[in-house]
Amino acid sequence: YDLTQPPSVSVYPGQTATISCSGDRLGDKFASWYQQRPGQSPVLLIYRDDKRPSGIPERFSGSNSGNTATLTIIETQALDEADYYCQTWDTPTYVFGSGTRVTVL
Amino acid sequence: EVQLVESGGGLVQPGGSLRLSCAASGFTFSSFEVNWVRQAPGKGLEWISYISGSGSPLFYADSVKGRFTISRDNAKNSVDLQMNNLRAEDTAVYYCARGYRGYESDAFDIWGQGTMVTVSS
Repeated sequence: YDLTQPPSVSVYPGQTATISCSGDRLGDKFASWYQQRPGQSPVLLIYRDDKRPSGIPERFSGSNSGNTATLTIIETQALDEADYYCQTWDTPTYVFGSGTRVTVL
Repeated sequence: EVQLVESGGGLVQPGGSLRLSCAASGFTFSSFEVNWVRQAPGKGLEWISYISGSGSPLFYADSVKGRFTISRDNAKNSVDLQMNNLRAEDTAVYYCARGYRGYESDAFDIWGQGTMVTVSS
């Protein structure tokens, strides 16, 4: 099972960034999103399509329908510059997307 | 504090073996699944292995099946990854990551800091 993400997304500070993740009937599965800043471990941002773990800012939101899951970052800040990975559970294995580098211009 | 700490990485020759460990603290370890995820230099994340809270079932990615073995010791709050017949393409940072639900987790909420494995002659 493959998940496809755009290699890069650029956004101006204060604007909205959207990152797509495509997979066959992905909407029938759960999608999660992780943020990985340079030199750091991944951090869970979104699970079960649209749930935020405690401590994750409301600026981050997720959706999943059809063949595409989407991560949306509103009011983007410089500290949001990082790599973002989608992930799904293709029972019993897990699959990560190829990753999207978000650049804050 | 809930945390996972990996150890055991290093330089190994092709065909060699290495054993990684993941030490957990701050939570009821036996109640949670643990996974290993790796990241080759400059590349994305790759899930490679899963172990349930009880120690069974176990699952592996095709890329490591038959060469890697995951195990856990709930008395010691640790998970190990025995890696045999290592190849250059196994060079990566190896992370352990906790399944957030405890069973049938679809995501990983706690990650270790990673340990680097380099396979080279």
